[in-house]
Amino acid sequence: SQTIHQWPATLVQPVGSPLSLECTVEGTSNPNLYWYRQAAGRGLQLLFYSVGIGQISSEVPQNLSASRPQDRQFILSSKKLLLSDSGFYLCAWSRRNTIYFGEGSWLTVV
Amino acid sequence: DQQVKQNSPSLSVQEGRISILNCDYTNSMFDYFLWYKKYPAEGPTFLISISSIKDKNEDGRFTVFLNKSAKHLSLHIVPSQPGDSAVYFCAASAQTSGTYKYIFGTGTRLKVLA
Repeated sequence: SQTIHQWPATLVQPVGSPLSLECTVEGTSNPNLYWYRQAAGRGLQLLFYSVGIGQISSEVPQNLSASRPQDRQFILSSKKLLLSDSGFYLCAWSRRNTIYFGEGSWLTVV
Repeated sequence: DQQVKQNSPSLSVQEGRISILNCDYTNSMFDYFLWYKKYPAEGPTFLISISSIKDKNEDGRFTVFLNKSAKHLSLHIVPSQPGDSAVYFCAASAQTSGTYKYIFGTGTRLKVLA
Protein backbone atom coordinates (compact mmCIF):
# COMPACT_ATOMS: atom_id res chain seq x y z
CA SER A 1 0.00 0.00 0.00
CA GLN A 2 1.02 3.58 -0.53
CA THR A 3 2.03 5.87 2.30
CA ILE A 4 3.06 9.48 2.47
CA HIS A 5 5.12 11.09 5.20
CA GLN A 6 6.13 14.67 5.78
CA TRP A 7 8.28 16.31 8.42
CA PRO A 8 8.80 18.08 10.64
CA ALA A 9 5.30 17.97 12.12
CA THR A 10 5.65 21.35 13.82
CA LEU A 11 8.20 24.10 13.77
CA VAL A 12 8.57 27.64 14.98
CA GLN A 13 10.88 29.80 12.93
CA PRO A 14 11.93 33.46 13.22
CA VAL A 15 11.22 35.90 10.45
CA GLY A 16 14.01 35.87 7.89
CA SER A 17 15.14 32.32 8.63
CA PRO A 18 15.17 29.55 5.99
CA LEU A 19 12.63 26.73 5.71
CA SER A 20 12.76 23.18 4.51
CA LEU A 21 9.79 20.80 4.67
CA GLU A 22 10.29 17.33 3.29
CA CYS A 23 7.83 14.80 1.96
CA THR A 24 8.29 11.24 0.74
CA VAL A 25 5.89 8.76 -0.80
CA GLU A 26 6.30 5.01 -0.57
CA GLY A 27 4.68 2.17 -2.45
CA THR A 28 4.26 3.86 -5.80
CA SER A 29 6.43 5.15 -8.60
CA ASN A 30 6.30 8.40 -10.57
CA PRO A 31 3.51 9.92 -8.48
CA ASN A 32 2.12 13.38 -9.08
CA LEU A 33 3.08 15.40 -6.02
CA TYR A 34 1.57 18.53 -4.50
CA TRP A 35 2.13 21.11 -1.77
CA TYR A 36 -0.91 22.82 -0.27
CA ARG A 37 -1.22 25.38 2.51
CA GLN A 38 -4.12 25.97 4.87
CA ALA A 39 -3.89 29.40 6.45
CA ALA A 40 -5.83 30.00 9.66
CA GLY A 41 -9.57 29.84 8.96
CA ARG A 42 -9.10 29.36 5.24
CA GLY A 43 -9.31 26.59 2.69
CA LEU A 44 -6.60 24.53 1.06
CA GLN A 45 -4.52 26.56 -1.34
CA LEU A 46 -2.49 24.76 -4.00
CA LEU A 47 1.10 26.02 -3.95
CA PHE A 48 3.09 23.68 -6.21
CA TYR A 49 2.65 20.47 -8.14
CA SER A 50 5.08 18.16 -9.88
CA VAL A 51 4.63 15.48 -12.53
CA GLY A 52 8.21 14.21 -12.38
CA ILE A 53 11.77 14.72 -11.17
CA GLY A 54 12.83 18.33 -11.57
CA GLN A 55 9.43 19.35 -12.96
CA ILE A 56 7.76 21.95 -10.74
CA SER A 57 4.73 24.09 -11.48
CA SER A 58 3.95 27.05 -9.24
CA GLU A 59 0.39 28.14 -8.68
CA VAL A 60 0.85 31.40 -6.81
CA PRO A 61 3.71 33.88 -6.67
CA GLN A 62 5.15 33.80 -3.20
CA ASN A 63 8.12 33.52 -0.94
CA LEU A 64 8.35 29.75 -1.30
CA SER A 65 9.91 27.31 -3.74
CA ALA A 66 9.66 23.57 -4.31
CA SER A 67 12.02 20.93 -5.59
CA ARG A 68 11.79 17.27 -6.52
CA PRO A 69 15.27 15.80 -6.40
CA GLN A 70 14.06 12.18 -6.48
CA ASP A 71 10.99 10.44 -7.86
CA ARG A 72 9.20 10.14 -4.52
CA GLN A 73 10.65 13.13 -2.68
CA PHE A 74 9.17 16.62 -2.64
CA ILE A 75 10.68 19.53 -0.74
CA LEU A 76 9.19 22.91 0.12
CA SER A 77 11.72 25.65 0.86
CA SER A 78 12.15 29.29 1.60
CA LYS A 79 15.30 31.37 1.88
CA LYS A 80 13.73 33.99 4.16
CA LEU A 81 10.44 33.38 5.93
CA LEU A 82 7.79 36.05 6.34
CA LEU A 83 5.13 36.25 9.02
CA SER A 84 2.52 35.55 6.35
CA ASP A 85 4.13 32.17 5.64
CA SER A 86 2.63 30.79 8.86
CA GLY A 87 0.12 28.02 8.28
CA PHE A 88 -0.51 24.32 7.95
CA TYR A 89 1.39 22.80 5.04
CA LEU A 90 0.25 19.60 3.39
CA CYS A 91 2.06 17.35 0.99
CA ALA A 92 -0.05 15.12 -1.24
CA TRP A 93 0.14 12.61 -4.07
CA SER A 94 -2.46 11.58 -6.59
CA ARG A 95 -3.49 8.49 -8.49
CA ARG A 96 -6.51 7.78 -10.62
CA ASN A 97 -8.32 11.04 -9.97
CA THR A 98 -7.87 10.95 -6.20
CA ILE A 99 -5.46 12.95 -4.10
CA TYR A 100 -4.09 11.68 -0.79
CA PHE A 101 -2.58 13.85 1.91
CA GLY A 102 0.21 13.54 4.43
CA GLU A 103 -0.11 14.38 8.10
CA GLY A 104 0.70 18.04 7.66
CA SER A 105 3.31 20.41 9.09
CA TRP A 106 2.46 23.34 11.32
CA LEU A 107 4.69 26.34 10.64
CA THR A 108 4.63 29.35 12.93
CA VAL A 109 6.79 32.28 11.92
CA VAL A 110 7.55 34.60 14.82
CA ASP B 1 -11.17 33.97 -8.14
CA GLN B 2 -12.63 31.19 -6.00
CA GLN B 3 -13.47 28.41 -8.45
CA VAL B 4 -14.85 26.11 -5.76
CA LYS B 5 -17.08 27.58 -3.08
CA GLN B 6 -18.56 26.27 0.13
CA ASN B 7 -20.83 29.06 1.23
CA SER B 8 -21.74 27.61 4.62
CA PRO B 9 -18.80 27.86 7.01
CA SER B 10 -20.56 25.78 9.64
CA LEU B 11 -23.46 23.38 10.12
CA SER B 12 -24.97 21.78 13.22
CA VAL B 13 -27.07 18.64 13.00
CA GLN B 14 -28.67 16.38 15.57
CA GLU B 15 -27.31 12.86 15.84
CA GLY B 16 -29.24 10.44 13.64
CA ARG B 17 -30.48 13.14 11.28
CA ILE B 18 -29.23 13.92 7.80
CA SER B 19 -26.28 16.26 7.21
CA ILE B 20 -26.22 18.05 3.85
CA LEU B 21 -23.07 19.88 2.84
CA ASN B 22 -23.09 21.97 -0.30
CA CYS B 23 -20.48 23.02 -2.80
CA ASP B 24 -20.60 25.18 -5.95
CA TYR B 25 -18.07 25.50 -8.73
CA THR B 26 -17.58 27.84 -11.65
CA ASN B 27 -15.21 26.09 -14.04
CA SER B 28 -17.02 23.85 -16.52
CA MET B 29 -13.74 22.05 -17.27
CA PHE B 30 -13.83 20.27 -13.91
CA ASP B 31 -14.57 16.60 -14.56
CA TYR B 32 -14.10 14.95 -11.19
CA PHE B 33 -15.29 15.95 -7.75
CA LEU B 34 -14.23 14.78 -4.31
CA TRP B 35 -15.12 15.21 -0.65
CA TYR B 36 -12.63 15.14 2.21
CA LYS B 37 -12.94 15.10 5.96
CA LYS B 38 -10.41 16.89 8.11
CA TYR B 39 -9.72 16.88 11.83
CA PRO B 40 -7.62 19.66 13.42
CA ALA B 41 -3.87 19.32 12.89
CA GLU B 42 -4.30 16.35 10.56
CA GLY B 43 -4.25 15.92 6.81
CA PRO B 44 -7.61 15.60 5.01
CA THR B 45 -8.84 12.08 4.41
CA PHE B 46 -10.68 11.06 1.27
CA LEU B 47 -14.38 10.25 1.68
CA ILE B 48 -16.11 9.88 -1.64
CA SER B 49 -15.89 11.10 -5.21
CA ILE B 50 -17.95 11.40 -8.36
CA SER B 51 -17.18 11.66 -12.02
CA SER B 52 -18.85 14.34 -14.11
CA ILE B 53 -20.60 11.65 -16.16
CA LYS B 54 -22.61 10.58 -13.13
CA ASP B 55 -25.13 12.37 -10.96
CA LYS B 56 -24.96 10.22 -7.84
CA ASN B 57 -22.48 8.06 -5.99
CA GLU B 58 -23.16 6.24 -2.75
CA ASP B 59 -20.82 4.65 -0.21
CA GLY B 60 -22.39 3.52 3.03
CA ARG B 61 -23.72 6.52 4.92
CA PHE B 62 -22.23 8.95 2.39
CA THR B 63 -23.86 9.98 -0.88
CA VAL B 64 -22.62 12.63 -3.26
CA PHE B 65 -24.98 14.28 -5.75
CA LEU B 66 -23.82 16.23 -8.77
CA ASN B 67 -25.93 18.73 -10.70
CA LYS B 68 -23.80 19.75 -13.67
CA SER B 69 -26.25 22.26 -15.09
CA ALA B 70 -26.26 24.12 -11.78
CA LYS B 71 -22.55 23.48 -11.18
CA HIS B 72 -23.47 22.22 -7.74
CA LEU B 73 -22.64 19.17 -5.67
CA SER B 74 -23.69 18.05 -2.26
CA LEU B 75 -22.65 15.47 0.31
CA HIS B 76 -25.35 13.72 2.32
CA ILE B 77 -24.49 11.88 5.52
CA VAL B 78 -27.23 9.64 6.86
CA PRO B 79 -27.48 8.99 9.73
CA SER B 80 -25.12 11.56 11.18
CA GLN B 81 -22.93 10.45 14.06
CA PRO B 82 -20.91 12.47 16.60
CA GLY B 83 -17.71 11.09 15.05
CA ASP B 84 -18.65 12.85 11.82
CA SER B 85 -17.91 16.18 13.47
CA ALA B 86 -15.06 17.66 11.43
CA VAL B 87 -14.35 20.11 8.63
CA TYR B 88 -15.47 18.90 5.21
CA PHE B 89 -13.82 20.09 2.03
CA CYS B 90 -15.09 19.64 -1.47
CA ALA B 91 -12.62 19.57 -4.32
CA ALA B 92 -12.80 19.67 -8.09
CA SER B 93 -10.21 18.51 -10.54
CA ALA B 94 -9.34 19.05 -14.17
CA GLN B 95 -6.52 17.67 -16.23
CA THR B 96 -3.86 20.19 -17.14
CA SER B 97 -0.27 19.91 -18.32
CA GLY B 98 -0.30 16.14 -18.00
CA THR B 99 -1.62 15.97 -14.48
CA TYR B 100 -4.71 16.67 -12.44
CA LYS B 101 -4.99 19.87 -10.44
CA TYR B 102 -7.24 19.76 -7.42
CA ILE B 103 -8.97 22.94 -6.32
CA PHE B 104 -10.51 22.96 -2.87
CA GLY B 105 -13.29 24.93 -1.29
CA THR B 106 -12.91 26.76 2.01
CA GLY B 107 -14.56 24.00 4.04
CA THR B 108 -17.67 23.54 6.15
CA ARG B 109 -17.37 22.72 9.83
CA LEU B 110 -19.94 20.06 10.72
CA LYS B 111 -20.96 19.57 14.32
CA VAL B 112 -23.12 16.57 15.11
CA LEU B 113 -24.90 17.00 18.41
CA ALA B 114 -25.47 13.95 20.60
